[in-house]
Amino acid sequence: DTGVSQDPRHKITKRGQNVTFRCDPISEHNRLYWYRQTLGQGPEFLTYFQNEAQLEKSRLLSDRFSAERPKGSFSTLEIQRTEQGDSAMYLCASSLLGTSGDQETQYFGPGTRLLVL
Amino acid sequence: AQSVTQLDSQVPVFEEAPVELRCNYSSSVSVYLFWYVQYPNQGLQLLLKYLSGSTLVESINGFEAEFNKSQTSFHLRKPSVHISDTAEYFCAVTTFPGSEKLVFGKGTKLTVNP
Repeated sequence: DTGVSQDPRHKITKRGQNVTFRCDPISEHNRLYWYRQTLGQGPEFLTYFQNEAQLEKSRLLSDRFSAERPKGSFSTLEIQRTEQGDSAMYLCASSLLGTSGDQETQYFGPGTRLLVL
Repeated sequence: AQSVTQLDSQVPVFEEAPVELRCNYSSSVSVYLFWYVQYPNQGLQLLLKYLSGSTLVESINGFEAEFNKSQTSFHLRKPSVHISDTAEYFCAVTTFPGSEKLVFGKGTKLTVNP
C-alpha cells in the first residue's frame, strides 16, 4: 500500500473559478478527513467521513465548500467561486476505526497546494 | 473545546545538542496526544502518540515525549539532534470518547545547524 494520495499536488486558479481536489485513502481505512493549513499555522479540521457518511463539518466549511465520499473510498473536496482567502494547503488523512472503538492514528497525504490569484 | 499551544515558533540548535519542543493543551475531558513532523514539501508524518498507559512514549528515531496531566503538557525531547531532524513539528490533541478531529498547535520550526 502506498499511503494516502492526493491529486493534484498544486493548483493555481483565478478568483471566482471552481476547483476540485481528490483524495485516495489507505485502502482498508473507513475514516477520511479533510484539513486546511495556511502559512504559519497548524492544520485546521474541515470535515470527516466514516465510510460514505459525512459525520462532522467545521464552521470553516462555508457553503462554497462541499465534500463527498460517494462509495466510501476516495473523496472529493470542491470549492466554488474561489476567493484569495482560500489559498492554502488542503490535507487529507485517513484512519481505521477498529472494533474496539479506540482512537486510531490518522495518516496524512502530501496535500494539495491551492493558490487563488 | 480543546486547544494546543506551542510556545516556540522557531527553535535553532546545533547538531548533537539536546532539544525540547514545548506543547501545552487545554481540554475539559480526557485526551489523546500526538506529535507530527512535516519535512519540507512533504505531508505530515506521525512521530509518536500517547493514548494510555505509560506516560513516556518514544519514537523510532530517538524522540520522546512525556504526558504530564497535572501540567497539561506533552513536551517533545531528543538528547542529540541531527541535521536531518530539521523540520516543522506539530503537537495535536483529540478527545475520547467523542470528537474525531485533531486540533493542532501552530507548529515549531526546528532548525539544526552544523
